[in-house]
Amino acid sequence: DAGITQSPRHKVTETGTPVTLRCHQTENHRYMYWYRQDPGHGLRLIHYSYGVKDTDKGEVSDGYSVSRSKTEDFLLTLESATSSQTSVYFCAISESGANYGYTFGSGTRLTVV
Amino acid sequence: GIQVEQSPPDLILQEGANSTLRCNFSDSVNNLQWFHQNPWGQLINLFYIPSGTKQNGRLSATTVATERYSLLYISSSQTTDSGVYFCAVGSSGYALNFGKGTSLLVTP
Repeated sequence: DAGITQSPRHKVTETGTPVTLRCHQTENHRYMYWYRQDPGHGLRLIHYSYGVKDTDKGEVSDGYSVSRSKTEDFLLTLESATSSQTSVYFCAISESGANYGYTFGSGTRLTVV
Repeated sequence: GIQVEQSPPDLILQEGANSTLRCNFSDSVNNLQWFHQNPWGQLINLFYIPSGTKQNGRLSATTVATERYSLLYISSSQTTDSGVYFCAVGSSGYALNFGKGTSLLVTP
């Protein structure tokens, strides 16, 4: 997607190891989001950011932390990965939290074995 | 958070048919968006439509905010329309809540 990239695209990791996913944008948008997608659940919000160093929790934040030290980068960290965190992770950006459309990255498929 | 219900959960159409997807939500919103997730997993924003009607080619959407529902119309469907359609809603200061989606398969 133009202006937003996620890395890595695929990752396999072992239970108990730390994992960091990166979302990078070139649109200078203020808001950034991390969602996870699982069968039967749609997309669920993990964390979001409304500015540099300003973050808040979503509905499924347990086991995850985030950081945003620069406008363009939003990092999602699984401190100690578990099998229940096997999922597809999507990052999204928007100019404003409430009144503008979202643009999604291509996703990261994470498998915890 | 705001509850979002989409119907039908699954839909199979022949190429050329028309369809209507529905999204009901449980509270007032000031943000409503429709997304298409293609078979490769990419999420594409179709409409930002907290109220009113919009059209983009064969797709159109209508949101009746006072009655808490939105409709996505697909006319003359094509196989490339296959995928999952998500409705997502939000209110001031909060991120979007997504419905579970409508899975659409368009057959030749």
